[in-house]
Amino acid sequence: KAGVTQTPRYLIKTRGQQVTLSCSPISGHRSVSWYQQTPGQGLQFLFEYFSETQRNKGNFPGRFSGRQFSNSRSEMNVSTLELGDSALYLCASSLGDEAFFGQGTRLTVV
Amino acid sequence: GESVGLHLPTLSVQEGDNSIINCAYSNSASDYFIWYKQESGKGPQFIIDIRSNMDKRQGQRVTVLLNKTVKHLSLQIAATQPGDSAVYFCAEDPNQGGKLIFGQGTELSVKP
Repeated sequence: KAGVTQTPRYLIKTRGQQVTLSCSPISGHRSVSWYQQTPGQGLQFLFEYFSETQRNKGNFPGRFSGRQFSNSRSEMNVSTLELGDSALYLCASSLGDEAFFGQGTRLTVV
Repeated sequence: GESVGLHLPTLSVQEGDNSIINCAYSNSASDYFIWYKQESGKGPQFIIDIRSNMDKRQGQRVTVLLNKTVKHLSLQIAATQPGDSAVYFCAEDPNQGGKLIFGQGTELSVKP
């Protein structure tokens, strides 16, 4: 069974640009959550989608947005990138309680 | 505010010894707790979980203990191996629609 797939693995963007990250959940999983991981703040919840609806949102500015498609694949978008957005962005999918994480997308903003 | 914190940021043990990683949580509404292992360059990997109606749960070489009175969670790894070297995170589910609150993480280093 394929795991959670995140693309791309690495990304370098310039301040002010926007970026879109993709997450393909495990087949059959309808819940997809996104987290930002930085050395200073650790793992912080961004938002969670279930059946194409955002069910919960963390404390991030409106520049961070996401969506989920009918096949449960999810994307997150960050607009007007700032240096502080450099982080590992992790996606997790779940069917019940247990969340399975992808390897993440390493975003570097220069 | 809500937080899940770890008592020790780093832990160094000899191969073959037992390891104990501790975690404190603050949200009384949380009824589900998980330990994750994260190796360099990888995403967090599920190790073991426990629900609030249990005090202890055992897996293969790992045991999770939950003390709801003092809001404390611990992960015990028996006969620690070099392959156990990683950062370990505790996480709690505060029943807020798919959101997990993670602790800071403890880096476990196993000396051969």
